[in-house]
Amino acid sequence: DTAVSQTPKYLVTQMGNDKSIKCEQNLGHDTMYWYKQDSKKFLKIMFSYNNKELIINETVPNRFSPKSPDKAHLNLHINSLELGDSAVYFCASSQDKGLGGAETQYFGPGTRLLVL
Amino acid sequence: QKEVEQDPGPLSVPEGAIVSLNCTYSNSAFQYFMWYRQYSRKGPELLMYTYSSGNKEDGRFTAQVDKSSKYISLFIRDSQPSDSATYLCAMSPLGAQKLVFGQGTRLTINP
Repeated sequence: DTAVSQTPKYLVTQMGNDKSIKCEQNLGHDTMYWYKQDSKKFLKIMFSYNNKELIINETVPNRFSPKSPDKAHLNLHINSLELGDSAVYFCASSQDKGLGGAETQYFGPGTRLLVL
Repeated sequence: QKEVEQDPGPLSVPEGAIVSLNCTYSNSAFQYFMWYRQYSRKGPELLMYTYSSGNKEDGRFTAQVDKSSKYISLFIRDSQPSDSATYLCAMSPLGAQKLVFGQGTRLTINP
């Protein structure tokens, strides 16, 4: 069974469109994350949710809106897509053990977004 | 200047060589240090985890942290072609609930 899954795996779309990426984890973890990995492989955190509550919101344009319907799911909606949004988006999850964010994070396979 | 600096490579070595991968950082609040391995078109997976300064060994892999120099290393002994991947260092301050990653070093082990 896949621990952290993302859909879709690939997403090609036009500038200005709105798209969503879905993430699900079956590990029973409390915390979920969205990361963006650019073409230079630089992986940067965007958002973090703990038990459906937003705990980290990095300097991300407000065109990006995460939603966590329950602690096993964290979706990412992107409005008015721009060329610079092209990247690989990774979802991750971890179990809160009181280590303050240093718990092992388990990553999904990534969603490759290409904005034309 | 990025909080975590890592040479992106690429680094290419022959099978059996000892590989040394390094990161430097500027934030003295970092307490937890990790190495993630990312195969092509896959998500990163945790390889090594160290708290504060010191060494940690796991099979062919050794992680070192020198907080006084703000420098961490990952050594791979008897490298194998299956070790070919991008290696990302990551670190976290205590209580920050987030990881800060280096850019990743792309490593190729040639048979």
